[in-house]
Amino acid sequence: NAGVTQTPKFQVLKTGQSMTLQCAQDMNHEYMSWYRQDPGMGLRLIHYSVGAGITDQGEVPNGYNVSRSTTEDFPLRLLSAAPSQTSVYFCASSAGTDGLFGSPLHFGNGTRLTVT
Amino acid sequence: AQTVTQSQPEMSVQEAETVTLSCTYDTSESDYYLFWYKQPPSRQMILVIRQEAYKQQNATENRFSVNFQKAAKSFSLKISDSQLGDAAMYFCAYRSPQGAQKLVFGQGTRLTINP
Repeated sequence: NAGVTQTPKFQVLKTGQSMTLQCAQDMNHEYMSWYRQDPGMGLRLIHYSVGAGITDQGEVPNGYNVSRSTTEDFPLRLLSAAPSQTSVYFCASSAGTDGLFGSPLHFGNGTRLTVT
Repeated sequence: AQTVTQSQPEMSVQEAETVTLSCTYDTSESDYYLFWYKQPPSRQMILVIRQEAYKQQNATENRFSVNFQKAAKSFSLKISDSQLGDAAMYFCAYRSPQGAQKLVFGQGTRLTINP
């Protein structure tokens, strides 16, 4: 069972560069999301998706884009990286939406991004 | 909007002893889920335990248990017989039944186990 797979594990960018963080899950989960983790702030929701073709903003969406063309994949795009986007990024998925809101989130192993 | 507060940035405990991590939350909803996640140095996020707000009985998972006080909006995690492998960052999280499965996390508590 691969679960939720994130790539890359580490990335260093220069200010203004763009990149895509990849996320894939093999559990046929409807719900996928991206969080960023910063010291003293816990994890904060960036964007989420309740199914293919449907995305929405979370708490801290500025500077990030997402798309969900398939159930399995949910990439996160940084269009023009800024030092404030230095963080650890987590992708997560779970089964169902409101009807199964107790379903636990399955997390990927995270991507540590540094923007210089 | 819901908020989750973990007021203990760091905690330490002797191996084999018991430790309690605190979590409070603010919500106007009557039904919701609460979670504790563990993040060891490997960075992996591991679900430790979860509590359904409509259930009065406190959840337990082996050495891990919670003290859920709905009226006080408190959700503490008790770890009994602490082991070296319990050393990690612990996050409390809230999920609303409204609007998809978005988690609101607390700031985290770093737990150190002293041998």
